[in-house]
Amino acid sequence: RKEVEQDPGPFNVPEGATVAFNCTYSNSASQSFFWYRQDCRKEPKLLMSVYSSGNEDGRFTAQLNRASQYISLLIRDSKLSDSATYLCVVNGDKLIFGTGTRLQVFP
Amino acid sequence: NAGVTQTPKFRILKIGQSMTLQCTQDMNHNYMYWYRQDPGMGLKLIYYSVGAGITDKGEVPNGYNVSRSTTEDFPLRLELAAPSQTSVYFCASSYWVMGTGELFFGEGSRLTVL
Repeated sequence: RKEVEQDPGPFNVPEGATVAFNCTYSNSASQSFFWYRQDCRKEPKLLMSVYSSGNEDGRFTAQLNRASQYISLLIRDSKLSDSATYLCVVNGDKLIFGTGTRLQVFP
Repeated sequence: NAGVTQTPKFRILKIGQSMTLQCTQDMNHNYMYWYRQDPGMGLKLIYYSVGAGITDKGEVPNGYNVSRSTTEDFPLRLELAAPSQTSVYFCASSYWVMGTGELFFGEGSRLTVL
């Protein structure tokens, strides 16, 4: 089993749609979780940290499920500008980057 | 603030050549990192540094060397370039120890070894 696993996508959704991505991790001792956004041929940038209680930032909601060892990212009211690759990042005994889930929002 | 600055942005090397990727940050971060990103793969840690004068290997250090003489600079040296080193290289820095806070990345350096 991969240490961090993401569906590569692409997820093709219309503007205004709600879309969700999951990311599973194998190390049950993992302590910190993040979602990064990476635009095509650009550097990753932090989108949000994922807290045990879940957290929300505008249209974005991140959740952690320790029992099932996954984190999720929900994007509501998708915008064209949300088109990017979303990287799941998990910190256990080392920081592991997922391979990313590609989102394409179309008009 | 410029953040993390990497140079060059693009470079083509011949097999066996050597080069240095430069990285500098102006945020006074103690922690700095070099990652490589290959298509379809997650970022892999090459080397990291917890402060000036201190460096350590990451997951994929073979064929690379680093130094950290100042807080600001963390150059990555490629010795005897091989096609397997064709990749996109990202330098990053953080205020908090790795994995506990935000990583700030440079724009990346695209290296092709032919």
